[in-house]
Amino acid sequence: DAMVIQNPRYQVTQFGKPVTLSCSQTLNHNVMYWYQQKSSQAPKLLFHYYDKDFNNEADTPDNFQSRRPNTSFCFLDIRSPGLGDTAMYLCATSRVEQGLGADNEQFFGPGTRLTVL
Amino acid sequence: GDSVTQMEGPVTLSEEAFLTINCTYTATGYPSLFWYVQYPGEGLQLLLKATKADDKGSNKGFEATYRKETTSFHLEKGSVQVSDSAVYFCANTRAVGGSNYKLTFGKGTLLTVNP
Repeated sequence: DAMVIQNPRYQVTQFGKPVTLSCSQTLNHNVMYWYQQKSSQAPKLLFHYYDKDFNNEADTPDNFQSRRPNTSFCFLDIRSPGLGDTAMYLCATSRVEQGLGADNEQFFGPGTRLTVL
Repeated sequence: GDSVTQMEGPVTLSEEAFLTINCTYTATGYPSLFWYVQYPGEGLQLLLKATKADDKGSNKGFEATYRKETTSFHLEKGSVQVSDSAVYFCANTRAVGGSNYKLTFGKGTLLTVNP
């Protein structure tokens, strides 16, 4: 089945130790998103790739970076995790075709639960 | 700017009870509207969607109708089951501008269904 896969599902890191989260998709979607979701809150968009173009949200800290080496893969790098970065990180994808309206359903992966100690 | 307001939870019901979770939105233009469900420890799954006014989205016994006149997209189910216990998010796409594919989420409503 076509899907969005995230690895690892659980990650524990130490304060200040860089960490990379991985997302892959078999849907051949052109847009990939990274969200941060803290406990009992809505997902918050960090950034997204529209094809190869990186789009950062205005309030995303510089500590968060992303790479998309090809259509299928996208990585979230946290350069120096702080305790406040403990959260679920969700990857999502969608197929966007400009001019065809706003019906752009997003498909989510299962998430990576990150704990910073 | 665009926003989504949904009923604050938690909502606790007995099995077979009727469910309504209210959702209203503000948007310029004509957004698409979504309900996503999140089971404990998992990512979000699309539950249903509607892309234009008066459309009704439905799935697994859940329904929601896109009401442009009241800017609402309330989620309903006639008879809930224990397995429906989850967090429900209402969302819309930003309807104008170059980034009209981004989602704006409500804060989520935790539903607990007791046997």
